[in-house]
Amino acid sequence: GAGVSQSPSNKVTEKGKDVELRCDPISGHTALYWYRQSLGQGLEFLIYFQGNSAPDKSGLPSDRFSAERTGGSVSTLTIQRTQQEDSAVYLCASSLGTSGSGETQYFGPGTRLLVL
Amino acid sequence: AQTVTQSQPEMSVQEAETVTLSCTYDTSESDYYLFWYKQPPSRQMILVIRQEAYKQQNATENRFSVNFQKAAKSFSLKISDSQLGDAAMYFCAYKYGGATNKLIFGTGTLLAVQP
Repeated sequence: GAGVSQSPSNKVTEKGKDVELRCDPISGHTALYWYRQSLGQGLEFLIYFQGNSAPDKSGLPSDRFSAERTGGSVSTLTIQRTQQEDSAVYLCASSLGTSGSGETQYFGPGTRLLVL
Repeated sequence: AQTVTQSQPEMSVQEAETVTLSCTYDTSESDYYLFWYKQPPSRQMILVIRQEAYKQQNATENRFSVNFQKAAKSFSLKISDSQLGDAAMYFCAYKYGGATNKLIFGTGTLLAVQP
């Protein structure tokens, strides 16, 4: 595809349910990032994948959050036992993957999650 | 820890006029990158301009330019000849030049363009 795509665009769930958010990066990009944009916290880094290296999970807020990247391409962010404070826009980005450079991260349109 | 501060929650500019959005950051690193991203109501973050810390020359992209003051740790964005399509939330972001590729964002400035 031409850009980063994310699905679903919007998700409404009930407190306590699990949700999965999907990200399709730009073809050929080996680096993939998840960010969360919420009213109270602004934009915050969650997790970073680079090729076959172990992901940088330093931004995940709790053990209810996990992410995987299959085949070096598509990524899924999973939130277990959702809580109301998880309501936010979840943004995915990808980049070419040259470590140590200031390469541009290209963002998807995000998934807006609302936990009732 | 690195931090990015945008002190102007909202700004307004008349169409065709010039506006400057402020950004300051705090870091002890010498190798880093700075970015301005635009987020319209569609939510898609779009890169506006980037600056490498080792470059003294200010970056310019058409109507967008930056004033990078490394000693003062300041990175402001100037939009010239403002257009209605420039109305959006603007985020300043910092990235360390080492192996960690995560962006650290400011809280954003909402820019309104008046016709």
